[in-house]
Amino acid sequence: DTGVSQNPRHKITKRGQNVTFRCDPISEHNRLYWYRQTLGQGPEFLTYFQNEAQLEKSRLLSDRFSAERPKGSFSTLEIQRTEQGDSAMYLCASSFGGGSNQPQHFGDGTRLSIL
Amino acid sequence: SQKIEQNSEALNIQEGKTATLTCNYTNYSPAYLQWYRQDPGRGPVFLLLIRENEKEKRKERLKVTFDTTLKQSLFHITASQPADSATYLCALEGGGSSNTGKLIFGQGTTLQVKP
Repeated sequence: DTGVSQNPRHKITKRGQNVTFRCDPISEHNRLYWYRQTLGQGPEFLTYFQNEAQLEKSRLLSDRFSAERPKGSFSTLEIQRTEQGDSAMYLCASSFGGGSNQPQHFGDGTRLSIL
Repeated sequence: SQKIEQNSEALNIQEGKTATLTCNYTNYSPAYLQWYRQDPGRGPVFLLLIRENEKEKRKERLKVTFDTTLKQSLFHITASQPADSATYLCALEGGGSSNTGKLIFGQGTTLQVKP
């Protein structure tokens, strides 16, 4: 169990640029979740995958956001035309099986700063 | 509207005392409730899960209670140590069933244990 890995750990970019984050979940986990966290708040759900299928997207996820999980392994989260309000920590989590009766294993996140 | 509330003020206690953190929720009927620990700059780490038909769950120095009538969970750390200093998050299933794993988090309570 090598844990959930996220890259990069930090990303600084100018407003209007596109950014892409990567998440490598624990290998046997079929569920993968993306959350966003701002200072002083708990993580907010963005989207989740069961294997390669994206099953739900939050209303927080505007059409500038897209997530993929090709082949049901790693996942990417892309933000197009970044805005100041996108500055946050983006967290990825994985679990074996679904449901709120399963603990989720989080990576250490990608911190995005928009200049 | 649905809400999960934790004490937003930091909790400061002396080493060796018991820390008690509160999680209240409204307009949810969760089958499970989870507690996580988060250190600065890191992702949340799963601690405990409690089911709606369990009144209490223990793990080493940790104890969680779940009162579905009061819509409240209490998280206790006995014999607290400075290493317990962190932010503690409670989380509930945010989907329509207990199968999505879409967690809704409280804003977290920061615990500071002084030597």
